[in-house]
Amino acid sequence: EVQLVESGGGLVQPGGSLRLSCAASGFTFSSYEMNWVRQAPGKGLEWVSYISSSGSTIYYADSVKGRFTISRDNAKNSLYLQMNSLRAEDTAVYYCARVRREDYYMDVWGKGTTVTVSS
Amino acid sequence: EIVLTQSPATLSLSPGERATLSCRASQSVSSYLAWYQQKPGQAPRLLIYDASNRATGIPARFSGSGSGTDFTLTISSLEPEDFAVYYCQQRSNWRWTFGQGTKVEIK
Repeated sequence: EVQLVESGGGLVQPGGSLRLSCAASGFTFSSYEMNWVRQAPGKGLEWVSYISSSGSTIYYADSVKGRFTISRDNAKNSLYLQMNSLRAEDTAVYYCARVRREDYYMDVWGKGTTVTVSS
Repeated sequence: EIVLTQSPATLSLSPGERATLSCRASQSVSSYLAWYQQKPGQAPRLLIYDASNRATGIPARFSGSGSGTDFTLTISSLEPEDFAVYYCQQRSNWRWTFGQGTKVEIK
């Protein structure tokens, strides 16, 4: 079964850091690009970051550029999001999503991990 | 950045009725538009890609149309499990953007 499972969320104070992980199974992880997408409470979806299959190409939304770092370990079938200098507005459910190679739509999503930034 | 605007924000319908959801792009996205369904407490699910192609396993009652800046998602006859929030999404210049969502609720 194709599956993505996020972990690492929690409560953190403003200015703090958190590292999210996404474990992939059921497909050849190293062949796929990946995205992080977040959803603030009661709000819509916001794309956060993209990483190519090799990890050589990375993009960020302006709202997180300079604070978040996406990475992957293909040997461990894992995707990561290092989040630094966290703000209240980063509070959200964070989803990892597989990006289809042929057209860049997101066809497999994890269930998400919740990040709460509050003092 | 291309902005996607969905309408209406909420659609109140009964099971068996037809649902028509709209998504308008601030500039042309050709046919590179997707629709996702999200139920409470769940992750989004890809329904339609390239404006009109159903994703794997999506029932035929879901259909998409449009190109350029105006797109429509139609659910021909609402089933109880279709009441959810629907998002349109596009990608350009390595930025993925979503509409703000349309909630389809039971009338």
